[in-house]
Amino acid sequence: GESVGLHLPTLSVQEGDNSIINCAYSNSASDYFIWYKQESGKGPQFIIDIRSNMDKRQGQRVTVLLNKTVKHLSLQIAATQPGDSAVYFCAETGGDSSYKLIFGSGTRLLVRP
Amino acid sequence: KAGVTQTPRYLIKTRGQQVTLSCSPISGHRSVSWYQQTPGQGLQFLFEYFSETQRNKGNFPGRFSGRQFSNSRSEMNVSTLELGDSALYLCASSLDGDRATYNEQFFGPGTRLTVL
Repeated sequence: GESVGLHLPTLSVQEGDNSIINCAYSNSASDYFIWYKQESGKGPQFIIDIRSNMDKRQGQRVTVLLNKTVKHLSLQIAATQPGDSAVYFCAETGGDSSYKLIFGSGTRLLVRP
Repeated sequence: KAGVTQTPRYLIKTRGQQVTLSCSPISGHRSVSWYQQTPGQGLQFLFEYFSETQRNKGNFPGRFSGRQFSNSRSEMNVSTLELGDSALYLCASSLDGDRATYNEQFFGPGTRLTVL
């Protein structure tokens, strides 16, 4: 896609399989985390969020897991569909008084039919 | 409900010129943030505005500036363009950006700026 890096890590999965996308965040003081999906030519689209007082949150076909001990976030997509092919970014709020999001470098998900 | 709109969608400029990008947030949203997206640096925060005030700024040179109007629409300006300013500039809006009850940021499609 025009808006993402050329050398992103890529996860290739078979349609119908489950996908797990991982993210290591940087700031142990971050209190809010979000997963975004970005398709070619579009801005990031909100998928699911989680606060630091939780370790798991489920949405429709998606689950986010938060492990604060190792500063790790994961996004699980159940029954992956071709429409899930995109670049996925995790973002954190940094834990300070600012209002900015700090984004990870992204993972490209390719769904094989 | 209309989403975040950004104009123009594509822009080509030459080094040394300046550029102004525009963002119209979702109706009722008062917080507008700007991000720069490049293949090398990924998504980086530029600044955030709320009620016409800049609340936070990222680590970008002073050539990057912005403002917000009373109707919450926002503009960002880049002066003395450099080749490295070529990027996708994204605008995101949220209800009020309250840190206590974090509000989802909705992104626009971006403005693709190419500097020649």
